[in-house]
Amino acid sequence: DAEITQSPRHKITETGRQVTLACHQTWNHNNMFWYRQDLGHGLRLIHYSYGVHDTNKGEVSDGYSVSRSNTEDLPLTLESAASSQTSVYFCASSGAPGLRVPDTQYFGPGTRLTVL
Amino acid sequence: DQQVKQNSPSLSVQEGRISILNCDYTNSMFDYFLWYKKYPAEGPTFLISISSIKDKNEDGRFTVFLNKSAKHLSLHIVPSQPGDSAVYFCAAQSSGGGADGLTFGKGTHLIIQP
Repeated sequence: DAEITQSPRHKITETGRQVTLACHQTWNHNNMFWYRQDLGHGLRLIHYSYGVHDTNKGEVSDGYSVSRSNTEDLPLTLESAASSQTSVYFCASSGAPGLRVPDTQYFGPGTRLTVL
Repeated sequence: DQQVKQNSPSLSVQEGRISILNCDYTNSMFDYFLWYKKYPAEGPTFLISISSIKDKNEDGRFTVFLNKSAKHLSLHIVPSQPGDSAVYFCAAQSSGGGADGLTFGKGTHLIIQP
């Protein structure tokens, strides 16, 4: 069955370290998204991609980067981890054929990141 | 400025009764709305959606109502079951321009009591 996976599921790191969270989907979806979930904020969009080599900033992109070298993967990198980036991170994908099209996103299981 | 608001952080309903979860939005460009259900330690699961060209969409026990003039939507669950206990997120998207991705509310924790 097609699916979307995230790894690791849990990560503890130290302030200032570079961290990369992996997201892999087997639906062959063009669109992939990263969100973070924090108490009192719901889910907030970090970065998204509408296809290979395409990346875009979301609402809370500072301190994060993504790259899209193939259809299946969108890794999220924290260049220099900060305690404010302690959160649960969700990756999502969707198959909407283009921009500006109504879109149902399907989410991975999440990565819980703690920055000490 | 919160564009999607779920003003009830939690809701308690007896098993078998109707659960009504509410959501308000402020961005008039939003024209596609979704509800997601989330259990602890899992990702959000898509539940039901509605386009702005409709005012109602049904899927089994779940019905979403959209009132465009009031910028309000609601999710009805009938009858409520113990497995419905979860956090429910309302989300919105603009397909005609503006923000990309989904804009989420903060969620409502639904508790179904036996």
